[in-house]
Amino acid sequence: KAGVTQTPRYLIKTRGQQVTLSCSPISGHRSVSWYQQTPGQGLQFLFEYFSETQRNKGNFPGRFSGRQFSNSRSEMNVSTLELGDSALYLCASSLVVAGGLTGELFFGEGSRLTVL
Amino acid sequence: SQQGEEDPQALSIQEGENATMNCSYKTSINNLQWYRQNSGRGLVHLILIRSNEREKHSGRLRVTLDTSKKSSSLLITASRAADTASYFCATVLSGSARQLTFGSGTQLTVLP
Repeated sequence: KAGVTQTPRYLIKTRGQQVTLSCSPISGHRSVSWYQQTPGQGLQFLFEYFSETQRNKGNFPGRFSGRQFSNSRSEMNVSTLELGDSALYLCASSLVVAGGLTGELFFGEGSRLTVL
Repeated sequence: SQQGEEDPQALSIQEGENATMNCSYKTSINNLQWYRQNSGRGLVHLILIRSNEREKHSGRLRVTLDTSKKSSSLLITASRAADTASYFCATVLSGSARQLTFGSGTQLTVLP
């Protein structure tokens, strides 16, 4: 079974631009989450999608948005990029276990964004 | 913000020794999970322990959970150079479905 696939793996943007990152979850997984990882703030939850609906959102400005398609693939978008948005963006998929609680997450290799 | 802290921040041991990492958290949890991350790569799930469990084993891994102290520990026995990685604990907060809150991580270096 193929793992979580994230594209692109690396990208460089300049301040003010926008970026779209893509994530294909493991087949059969309907929950997709996004995390930002930086040296200073560590791993922080961005948002989670299930059945094309955003279910949870972390404490990030509105410049960070996402969506999920009917095939469970997800995209996240960051508009008006700032230097501080440079980070490794990780996507994870999971099965929704009983009670809707979080079981294990399966992570992709991440998209490393550098903002100049 | 992060749920808690991991201790130590960095750990260096010889191959064959045991490695113990600790994780503390602040609020009630549904479960606690441990993940491993090789440099610049994605995270790999190691083990999940539920709030009503006290200890769990998986191969060379042993995880304990003390909900009264809001702490967990990960023990890796007979470590190998390939265990060199960052290890993160992550909590699922009570009432917070499908969202992990990660600790700050422990960087483990196993010297051959």
